[in-house]
Amino acid sequence: AQSVTQPDIHITVSEGASLELRCNYSYGATPYLFWYVQSPGQGLQLLLKYFSGDTLVQGIKGFEAEFKRSQSSFNLRKPSVHWSDAAEYFCAVGSTSGGYQKVTFGTGTKLQVIP
Amino acid sequence: KAGVTQTPRYLIKTRGQQVTLSCSPISGHRSVSWYQQTPGQGLQFLFEYFSETQRNKGNFPGRFSGRQFSNSRSEMNVSTLELGDSALYLCASSTGGELFFGEGSRLTVL
Repeated sequence: AQSVTQPDIHITVSEGASLELRCNYSYGATPYLFWYVQSPGQGLQLLLKYFSGDTLVQGIKGFEAEFKRSQSSFNLRKPSVHWSDAAEYFCAVGSTSGGYQKVTFGTGTKLQVIP
Repeated sequence: KAGVTQTPRYLIKTRGQQVTLSCSPISGHRSVSWYQQTPGQGLQFLFEYFSETQRNKGNFPGRFSGRQFSNSRSEMNVSTLELGDSALYLCASSTGGELFFGEGSRLTVL
């Protein structure tokens, strides 16, 4: 069974500081990997995705993530955080089996940005 | 292109009642998935529909049901509501890659 672990429930960073959110997945084959962001009371917005190819993936809003097969990780990074980045971030793993896609989400990391 | 639309955005029900939530996917998307989001349990997969057929189902009781129409619009129904059903219900549509989410329907059960 596939699963996702986001070890940090809550992270606080200063505006302008760098950010790294951790994500570890469990899946037998090469997974599809996603990072989503959710602002309070809103749905989830896709930041970036990895399906295959280059293991460093660029996303929207200046985010990037690196797929490391040896560590089963897909950590999200941003070099300089803005106050508007305060939100909850979800890592997800997807797979295709029996003709349908199954997407499993981590429990999320809530990001607080202080001035 | 319009995004995923969920209605209603907010609703309040009492225990024992039933509720129906609606989701209109992005045009051309035939897969619709439903998730329940609560502070304690995170995002829990309910079910997925494709071309009017339920392809995948999560671990929820039979009180939770859904359907999909020929135009790919989907509805989910919760019968005999319990306090624990209070949650944000998210719908997502897909063409087989990433999920595109609506803003959700916030259900409060009193």
